[in-house]
This record gives sequence, structure tokens and C-alpha cells, in this order.
Amino acid sequence: QVQLVQSGAEVKKPGASVKVSCKASGYTFTSYDINWVRQATGQGLEWMGWMNPNSGNTGYAQKFQGRVTMTRNTSISTAYMELSSLRSEDTAVYYCARGRYSYNWGQGTLVTVSS
Amino acid sequence: EIVLTQSPATLSLSPGERATLSCRASQSVSSYLAWYQQKPGQAPRLLIYDASNRATGIPARFSGSGSGTDFTLTISSLEPEDFAVYYCQQRSNWPAFGQGTRLEIK
Repeated sequence: QVQLVQSGAEVKKPGASVKVSCKASGYTFTSYDINWVRQATGQGLEWMGWMNPNSGNTGYAQKFQGRVTMTRNTSISTAYMELSSLRSEDTAVYYCARGRYSYNWGQGTLVTVSS
Repeated sequence: EIVLTQSPATLSLSPGERATLSCRASQSVSSYLAWYQQKPGQAPRLLIYDASNRATGIPARFSGSGSGTDFTLTISSLEPEDFAVYYCQQRSNWPAFGQGTRLEIK
């Protein structure tokens, strides 16, 4: 069955960077886009961007342009999302999701930004 | 940037009742709209894609309709497990989510 397994929780200081991984299994990794979505506690869903694992092409929400980088390692079917210049407002659960319509989701990774 | 507005913010109903949730786009998204369900502490789950297609394993009591700027998610007869938060998302261009509708037990 399709699974997306994300890396564990992170605690970062303001100004630092965080890199979250998303390991895919149960399907051909290069056949479906990977989306990244985040959710602050008690808040709604916020789309951050997408990546085509086959080509490496990406598209980022304007809000995150210049701060986010999405990459992949096809040899291990893993996608990565790196967010830099972290601030307290970036404290959230970060999700990866498979496909144009996010058919499957990872379990989420809590990133806490605190001094 | 296309903005999605969901209404109502909160919907209070009883099991067995019919739920109607609305999602309005600031400009046409054709039929490129999805609905997700999210329960506390869980990742969202895809219910409907392309406005009216049920995702794999989604019960028939969930249905979606609409095109252009006005969309509806209907739950024909609420089950206890349906009480959750529902989000719409457009995939016409840069994807965005609505702010969500909380469906609570009356």
C-alpha cells in the first residue's frame, strides 16, 4: 500500500533552517508530484509548494519564495523540504502528500521554532 | 491569486441529518476542486477530486458538485465519524485551501 513516512519532530532557533524528509513506498516515486502543506496549531491548511520527482521541477507559493527548497533523491524514493530563516510563525506541522490532488499524506512533522 | 471562501464556518447537525458545505472561488477554477476531511491529530484525507469524483474508499454518502466558482460538498446522512473539519482546495493554478468548515454534533 502507498505510504509516506516523514522524519521526526524538530526544534529550531529563529534564523535557522530545517529539512524535512518524506520517504515514499508502495508506488513508483517518479510518477506523482509531491506537495508540501503546513498547519499551525488550531489553524487551517496552507499549501507551500510542489515538486515533480521525475524532472525535479518545483513550484512554490509566493509566500515562501526565496525561503523554501524542495528536492528529491530518486534512488531512495525520498522527497525533502527545506525552509530557511525560520521564525516563530513557522511553528507548525508540515505534511508531504502524493499527487496533484494529495491522494495520500505523510503523518506530519512538527517543527517548533523557539529561542 | 484565487481565494476560496467556505461557509458556514461551523455547522451543527445531528447524526442522520443531511450536511451541505459550500466553497466559493474568487474566480473560476473550472472543475479543479477537491474536498478533504481532517479529524483531530490526523492528516487530512481526500474525499472528492475534480469537483465530483469520490476518492478511493470514500462512502457513497459523500458527494460533490459544482463548477466555475461555486461548489458544494453534501453528506447525505451523517454518521458519527463524519464530524470533523472539511477543507476545499483549488488546483486550477497555484493551489490554495479554503479556511475550513467545522462540522460538529448538535
